Amino acid sequence: DAGVIQSPRHEVTEMGQEVTLRCKPISGHDYLFWYRQTMMRGLELLIYFNNNVPIDDSGMPEDRFSAKMPNASFSTLKIQPSEPRDSAVYFCASSAGTAYGYTFGSGTRLTVV
Amino acid sequence: SQQGEEDPQALSIQEGENATMNCSYKTSINNLQWYRQNSGRGLVHLILIRSNEREKHSGRLRVTLDTSKKSSSLLITASRAADTASYFCATRQEGRRALTFGSGTRLQVQP
Repeated sequence: DAGVIQSPRHEVTEMGQEVTLRCKPISGHDYLFWYRQTMMRGLELLIYFNNNVPIDDSGMPEDRFSAKMPNASFSTLKIQPSEPRDSAVYFCASSAGTAYGYTFGSGTRLTVV
Repeated sequence: SQQGEEDPQALSIQEGENATMNCSYKTSINNLQWYRQNSGRGLVHLILIRSNEREKHSGRLRVTLDTSKKSSSLLITASRAADTASYFCATRQEGRRALTFGSGTRLQVQP
């Protein structure tokens, strides 16, 4: 297995533009998580899915953020419109269950100018 | 505030020495996990310890858990320059399915 695959690795966009981050989890993993990492706030959980269903999106900062998981092998995190304070590294992770560790992707470094 | 807080925030040691990192948390947990993050990379899962376990080993890693003190420690023995990274503890709180991560310890191993 190639692990959790995220794209793009880097994204630079102008304030107000729409940004879409993509994630392919490990096949067979039932859980998919989106985290954001910044120096100031560390790793924050944004949203997670279980069997493609969103379970907890209380970490999504505001309505500008949305996430989908249309099938077991693909998820997107969308920011519309983007703002400079959204600049961070966004990680996707998947897990086989709550008694197991996570496998993280390499992250998407987002810069909003 | 975050569930897990690591101590120290930064640690610098010589190759061959042991490195000990501590993690404290606030609420009851089901399990506690340690992760490593190399600069510019994603996190890598190192070890998971369940709430009913007190100690666990994996290669040069030793993890302890004291649920009465709500604390855990990660010991890396005979450290190598390649161990240079940030180390995070993460807890799965009772009643929750997602992990909450601490602020991390930056470990520098000097060759």
